[in-house]
Amino acid sequence: SYELTQPPSVSVSPGQTARITCSGDALPKKYAYWYQQKSGQAPVLVIYEDSKRPSGIPERFSGSSSGTMATLTISGAQVEDEADYYCYSTDSSGNHRGVFGGGTKLTVL
Amino acid sequence: EVQLVESGGGLVQPGGSLRLSCAASGFTFSSYWMSWVRQAPGKGLEWVANIKQDGSEKYYVDSVKGRFTISRDNAKNSLYLQMNSLRAEDTAVYYCARALVSLADNWFDPWGQGTLVTVSS
Repeated sequence: SYELTQPPSVSVSPGQTARITCSGDALPKKYAYWYQQKSGQAPVLVIYEDSKRPSGIPERFSGSSSGTMATLTISGAQVEDEADYYCYSTDSSGNHRGVFGGGTKLTVL
Repeated sequence: EVQLVESGGGLVQPGGSLRLSCAASGFTFSSYWMSWVRQAPGKGLEWVANIKQDGSEKYYVDSVKGRFTISRDNAKNSLYLQMNSLRAEDTAVYYCARALVSLADNWFDPWGQGTLVTVSS
């Protein structure tokens, strides 16, 4: 079955740039999506179609993708950005079955 | 404002059944694919099922095929998940989400707050 691989944890100091990676064999042909989940809350979409930012998401959140790796970048991370981040994509068999990465715990302190 | 409100979670014994509901408001429900996504306690997210606008297409993760059924009632702006033959590993918070579908992908935005399903004797 298709898998997306993320690092379990990333840690930065406030104001630094945080980068969270997501690797998957189908990413050269499929978009990556990124979700932020704060403790006890539902996930929120922060990046769609590799690099697009939904309205209401701060400009410090950006996304990119190259080859089999997608990257979520938080430029000037804030304490309030501390959360779990999940990448998501669909597998190469079509556009209706998706998979999430295992999640990355971002610590900002 | 788009709102998705799940209900129907609770404690059920292994082998039992449960039906989850999701009430949608703030958008034209009948125009969107809808999905269920779950999260086991302390674990990551797992896509469970998608359903097309008119209910004519449904897709499931392999682990629930034959046990779970996704359905919708556009007249009531409601999404459902019928869960049968429940197992301990189905214990999770179940989220309802609006699905956005393109030719190549699908994704979820927004999500409800979730309802907890606990399968235990």
